Amino acid sequence: QKEVEQDPGPLSVPEGAIVSLNCTYSNSAFQYFMWYRQYSRKGPELLMYTYSSGNKEDGRFTAQVDKSSKYISLFIRDSQPSDSATYLCAMSVTGGFKTIFGAGTRLFVKA
Amino acid sequence: NAGVTQTPKFRILKIGQSMTLQCTQDMNHNYMYWYRQDPGMGLKLIYYSVGAGITDKGEVPNGYNVSRSTTEDFPLRLELAAPSQTSVYFCASTSDTNNSPLHFGNGTRLTVT
Repeated sequence: QKEVEQDPGPLSVPEGAIVSLNCTYSNSAFQYFMWYRQYSRKGPELLMYTYSSGNKEDGRFTAQVDKSSKYISLFIRDSQPSDSATYLCAMSVTGGFKTIFGAGTRLFVKA
Repeated sequence: NAGVTQTPKFRILKIGQSMTLQCTQDMNHNYMYWYRQDPGMGLKLIYYSVGAGITDKGEVPNGYNVSRSTTEDFPLRLELAAPSQTSVYFCASTSDTNNSPLHFGNGTRLTVT
């Protein structure tokens, strides 16, 4: 079993839709949970960062962590074509050091 | 502020050739990493370094070597390239172990034929 599981998609939605991206994990020691966005031919860039459980909101993006279920989610409201990218979940026991990545979900938002 | 810079952007190697992927960062980060990204497989850690002169193996180190003579530079060496090393390679850095995200370069696309 992989430490972090993420459906690679692709996921295609119409502009304005609410997008839900999810990951499950097996290591209960993970404390830091991140979402990276990766545009084509570019390196990943940090989108959201959460420590331990709970929700975090930043504009149209909301990250949720449920440690009891070992499940994290990223919601994108009012999705835009510019949101089309690969979204990688990532987690770590001690922050940036030895971050474990999911496979990434490729998202297409159609105008 | 350039961040993390990787060169070259693209490279085609023949089986058995060697090359060095260059990575430099200007953020004075102590921690640097090399990942490879294969389709549908996410990012796999090859090697990492916690400071100049200190390196250690990650999840998939076979066929690679690294060195860290300065804080800024962290080159990745491929000896005797094999088709299995066809991938996109990303270098990343971070300032410390906690509460600090990874900063990535834009990658090197390597094809071994």
